[in-house]
Amino acid sequence: DADVTQTPRNRITKTGKRIMLECSQTKGHDRMYWYRQDPGLGLRLIYYSFDVKDINKGEISDGYSVSRQAQAKFSLSLESAIPNQTALYFCAAAQGRGGTQYFGPGTRLTVL
Amino acid sequence: DQQVKQNSPSLSVQEGRISILNCDYTNSMFDYFLWYKKYPAEGPTFLISISSIKDKNEDGRFTVFLNKSAKHLSLHIVPSQPGDSAVYFCAASEGAGNMLTFGGGTRLMVKP
Repeated sequence: DADVTQTPRNRITKTGKRIMLECSQTKGHDRMYWYRQDPGLGLRLIYYSFDVKDINKGEISDGYSVSRQAQAKFSLSLESAIPNQTALYFCAAAQGRGGTQYFGPGTRLTVL
Repeated sequence: DQQVKQNSPSLSVQEGRISILNCDYTNSMFDYFLWYKKYPAEGPTFLISISSIKDKNEDGRFTVFLNKSAKHLSLHIVPSQPGDSAVYFCAASEGAGNMLTFGGGTRLMVKP
């Protein structure tokens, strides 16, 4: 277990607002990920980071940006939120190439 | 186009009976497969995995079967318990620890 925490757990915002979702992990795992979950579509990868200086786009990165502030912290930003970004967002952490991904509890984001 | 599909959005099973959750994939480069379980208001938790060099992996009440020629895997839970009621996601990657592609999930309900 990587003890992954996410803040906030719930957020309601308006179209056009800038939003930041934060993720922290306590085990010092090197790899961190951001996913979004939509009904029937499972989890889709937004961005991932293999270490502090390595950031990569995932399947659905448009409209999002990330920052790896430290080994333990990986933030997801929506520069100008839109309603179709309403979803459940999960952060995950893993250690090394073969490491299992451990997920945080999720952030439910609603964009009105 | 979804590369990993779980065609049954929900499954209802009586306590003590077998639960069989199915997953199909289209990408022949996938060689590592995982199942995650998700309870409401929590993040997905890793359940069991299988490498393409095997066709079966067992962990207590949970067994995953892989049929590479059919590009199909299944998760068997025997015997099913009410606490197994959750959403189950299958996921696949090209190599262990690499990027995961998730299916849409199957909601399992185990009735007492």
